[in-house]
Amino acid sequence: NAGVTQTPKFQVLKTGQSMTLQCAQDMNHNSMYWYRQDPGMGLRLIYYSASEGTTDKGEVPNGYNVSRLNKREFSLRLESAAPSQTSVYFCASSTPGPSSYEQYFGPGTRLTVT
Amino acid sequence: DAKTTQPPSMDCAEGRAANLPCNHSTISGNEYVYWYRQIHSQGPQYIIHGLKNNETNEMASLIITEDRKSSTLILPHATLRDTAVYYCIVRVVGNTGKLIFGQGTTLQVKP
Repeated sequence: NAGVTQTPKFQVLKTGQSMTLQCAQDMNHNSMYWYRQDPGMGLRLIYYSASEGTTDKGEVPNGYNVSRLNKREFSLRLESAAPSQTSVYFCASSTPGPSSYEQYFGPGTRLTVT
Repeated sequence: DAKTTQPPSMDCAEGRAANLPCNHSTISGNEYVYWYRQIHSQGPQYIIHGLKNNETNEMASLIITEDRKSSTLILPHATLRDTAVYYCIVRVVGNTGKLIFGQGTTLQVKP
């Protein structure tokens, strides 16, 4: 049981390049989330997917797109990377409803945009 | 979701209890208090949550005041491995499960 996995672990992009961050969970969770964390700051929600087939914007969605490929996988795409998107990106998953107090987080992807 | 206020940093001696306060004076009746921690840039880890009663699990205890405007997370015997950023989050339990993180409290456990 791997929990939440993220690929890649590290990435360096040039301004204007595109890339997709991958996230997968094997806990049969319905809900998945993407957060970013800038140095010295708390996490901020980018997008989330309450269930397969649905996605919604979080606090900071500009410059990102997401795809809930199936129940297990939730990807985050940067179409034209900017230096302001240099951050650590965390994916998380949880169960819905009254017991959705516990989110499980992946190890993060450290992205640098030059 | 209600906003929370936490001290930016705290120190604690190893083996002693660590008491981390959180103010959430605008909390609504259907909002829960959650605590997560983040060790050295790893993904955050769930610790505990509560509505109005005090709660305890294998990691910590959560004390919520009677008016629910503040709470305290207690680590009964802090170890060096408890050094982390601790986040207090208030939210309504629902289908989305969104969490809104603040700045948290950096707890430094010292030998």
